This record gives sequence, C-alpha cells and structure tokens, in this order.
Amino acid sequence: EAGVAQSPRYKIIEKRQSVAFWCNPISGHATLYWYQQILGQGPKLLIQFQNNGVVDDSQLPKDRFSAERLKGVDSTLKIQPAKLEDSAVYLCASSLGLAGLSDTQYFGPGTRLTVL
Amino acid sequence: AQSVTQLDSQVPVFEEAPVELRCNYSSSVSVYLFWYVQYPNQGLQLLLKYLSGSTLVKGINGFEAEFNKSQTSFHLRKPSVHISDTAEYFCAVRRWQAGTALIFGKGTTLSVSS
Repeated sequence: EAGVAQSPRYKIIEKRQSVAFWCNPISGHATLYWYQQILGQGPKLLIQFQNNGVVDDSQLPKDRFSAERLKGVDSTLKIQPAKLEDSAVYLCASSLGLAGLSDTQYFGPGTRLTVL
Repeated sequence: AQSVTQLDSQVPVFEEAPVELRCNYSSSVSVYLFWYVQYPNQGLQLLLKYLSGSTLVKGINGFEAEFNKSQTSFHLRKPSVHISDTAEYFCAVRRWQAGTALIFGKGTTLSVSS
C-alpha cells in the first residue's frame, strides 16, 4: 500500500514570495491533515479536511495561508506572501476518519520550507 | 484543551543500555495516547498507541509504554537500545472523537552512541 506522498521535498524562497505544497493521501482515507513543524518543536495542526470539507482551520493564519482539497483526494497548501517565520517542515497526514478506535494518522515525508 | 509535556529535550545513552522517555499530558476529556518516531529528513512513524484496555502497550522495534491515569503519564521505554534508535520521539494525544487532530509534545532527541 502506498503511503502519503508530498512534493516538493525541499523549497527555498525569499520572503514575500508565494509557495505551494501538494499532498496525496493514502487511497480511501477520508481525513487529511496539514501540520506545521518548526525546528525544535512538535507538529502543530494547521488545517483538517474531512473529504473535501474543512473540519478545523482555527490555527491557520488565513491572511497568508490557504488550503483546498478538491474532489476529496489531493490537497494543496499555499502561502502568499511568505514570512521568515514560515520556515518549517510542512507535514501532511491522512486517516480513515472512522468513528471508534482505529483512526491512526499516517504521515508523509514532509516539505522543508526555508524562507530567506 | 489538551497539552503534552515531554520532560527531557535530549537523552543521550550508550548502546544496549535501557532508556525511558517521559511524557505527561493534561486534558479535561478522555484521550488516546501515541508515540511517534521521526528519523532525520523523514516523516513521523507510529511506534505505539494506547486506546483502551491493558495499560502496558507494546509497539514496534522493541518499544513499550505504560499508561498511568493517576499520574497522567505515558512514558516510553526500551530495555536495550541500538544505534539505529537514534531519532526524535514525539508523544501525542488525541480526543476520543473520531477524526480529531493530534496534539504533540516538543519532542525528545534520543542519541545512542557506542
């Protein structure tokens, strides 16, 4: 079974530029998450989708970050314009989204963003 | 709200020694508990999880963790570590409600040397 795919793996941009990250979850997984992991910290949720609807985007800086999950499969996270403090690893995760116990989240390899 | 505290930011040990990585959590609701491992330049991999039942949970690579409700702890242990266990370890909690996000601690760097 293929895992969660993310691209690109690395990205270097200058501040005020725009950048987009792509995620392809495990087939059949209804729930998709984007986490931001700043160096030296644990991942923090940015946005969560259930199919193509947003469940939680309370920690997403909406003035510069946006995300979509068209057709309930792939997802794109965009930053426009980028700031220095956006330098981080952006992790995508997916889960079945079932009620009950077996809702393990599986993570992709992440995209490391450096803003200069 | 839930929060996770990993009490040690770095744990250096020698190969074949035992290790314990400490994790405490706080929550006003019932939660599930997880340990993830992150190798350099890779995503997070699930080590083990506590959902219900026996408080001693066994995971991959010889790791185990014990859920202690009275002390709100979920410490990770391994009786004998290998060089290959060198990685970042994250403790996380999630509310019982399905499809909710994980809340992570800041991580513990385990460094195993020969």
